[in-house]
Amino acid sequence: EIVLTQSPGTLSLSPGERATLSCRASQSVSSTSLGWYQQKPGQAPRLLIYGAFIRATGTPDRFSGSGSGTDFTLTISRLEPEDFAVYYCQQYGRSPPLTFGGGTKVEIK
Amino acid sequence: QVQLVQSGAEVKKPGASVKVSCKASGYRFTGYYMHWVRQAPGQGLEWMGWINCHSGGANYAERFQGWAMFTTDTSTGTAYMELSSLKSDDTAIYYCARSNGLGTYFDVWGQGTLVTVSS
Repeated sequence: EIVLTQSPGTLSLSPGERATLSCRASQSVSSTSLGWYQQKPGQAPRLLIYGAFIRATGTPDRFSGSGSGTDFTLTISRLEPEDFAVYYCQQYGRSPPLTFGGGTKVEIK
Repeated sequence: QVQLVQSGAEVKKPGASVKVSCKASGYRFTGYYMHWVRQAPGQGLEWMGWINCHSGGANYAERFQGWAMFTTDTSTGTAYMELSSLKSDDTAIYYCARSNGLGTYFDVWGQGTLVTVSS
């Protein structure tokens, strides 16, 4: 099983600041199999990024994904009020189990 | 539009079973896989497994093998997740989410179904 470790657990930032979220895998993950989801309170997760860096339909361009192998990053260039949420990385390779990271909460400072 | 609509909240006693439905609309149901993901209160996301909505074949995460069952009704475009022998720590929100094949991301999610297990 591929374990995904996200850091930090909580990120306290102000609107307009840059957010950098990390996702580290216990073994190499194909870049085509790494995604990021955003979850707001009381809502289902929403796909933001797939294939490590491809923005899903509707994802603003202030969100960007990068990385390869075991280290992946989600960057939010300038935080908007609606960006304060929990973010999960996921590896969805063909071989089960599919796994999620523990999440990073981006909160208003 | 493409959407997944899940059944309403359930309250069950320990040892009982629960069956959650996920009705798809706006796309060809049999062209996709449906995954089930759960989230305990205040916790992260846990993948439970998938079902191929065309063939009905399913794959379960190890911890759910033998006590979760995924089925589909292709005539109504509905996927089902049944969990038996419920315990209090099965209290969670259960989500369905589609992918257009194996090794692909979850692009549409249901709104979630809260299952509460309490005596």
